[in-house]
Amino acid sequence: AQTVTQSQPEMSVQEAETVTLSCTYDTSESDYYLFWYKQPPSRQMILVIRQEAYKQQNATENRFSVNFQKAAKSFSLKISDSQLGDAAIYFCAYRSLLGGGSEKLVFGKGTKLTVNP
Amino acid sequence: DAGVIQSPRHEVTEMGQEVTLRCKPISGHDYLFWYRQTMMRGLELLIYFNNNVPIDDSGMPEDRFSAKMPNASFSTLKIQPSEPRDSAVYFCASSRTSGRDFFGPGTRLTVL
Repeated sequence: AQTVTQSQPEMSVQEAETVTLSCTYDTSESDYYLFWYKQPPSRQMILVIRQEAYKQQNATENRFSVNFQKAAKSFSLKISDSQLGDAAIYFCAYRSLLGGGSEKLVFGKGTKLTVNP
Repeated sequence: DAGVIQSPRHEVTEMGQEVTLRCKPISGHDYLFWYRQTMMRGLELLIYFNNNVPIDDSGMPEDRFSAKMPNASFSTLKIQPSEPRDSAVYFCASSRTSGRDFFGPGTRLTVL
């Protein structure tokens, strides 16, 4: 079974600075999706970014970008120009493609990010 | 589109009572997922459906939990009898094949 590990339970960053959240995963599959989700205090789960494993190019979404290292099974999230609204719990997640790409999401334990003004 | 709708948003009940959580997925989505979030275990999948058929229920903790999807626009997760350890936030999510997941706002369940 696949596992996702987030080794940083909590992190903090100054407003306007850059922060990187770490994620590693374990799988024997070659094709899969990786995600970062954000959960603010409202509890809503919000998709931040998605990466297809077959794509070598790292995904970016405005101030959010990933560093996908397939061989190392590493998938870190970089947040540039951090804003107060980025404060949330960030979850890394894995999805197998064996079932056509709509299998269950396997989540890491989350990293709570605090943004200091 | 209203997004994924869950009800109730909050539920407080006493141990031994039956609890029913409801979910309305986004129209046209053929996958529906039920997740549970706790401090101890994080986010974990309970069960998911494809075209109203349960595909994987290996995450359902025990026989006290059951889920149904009688049609494409409605699903329920039932706990009978409820126990204090069932206290958690329960999320429903829906998606199209290979599409992104859309999560509902969650139901916070407290079992006293």
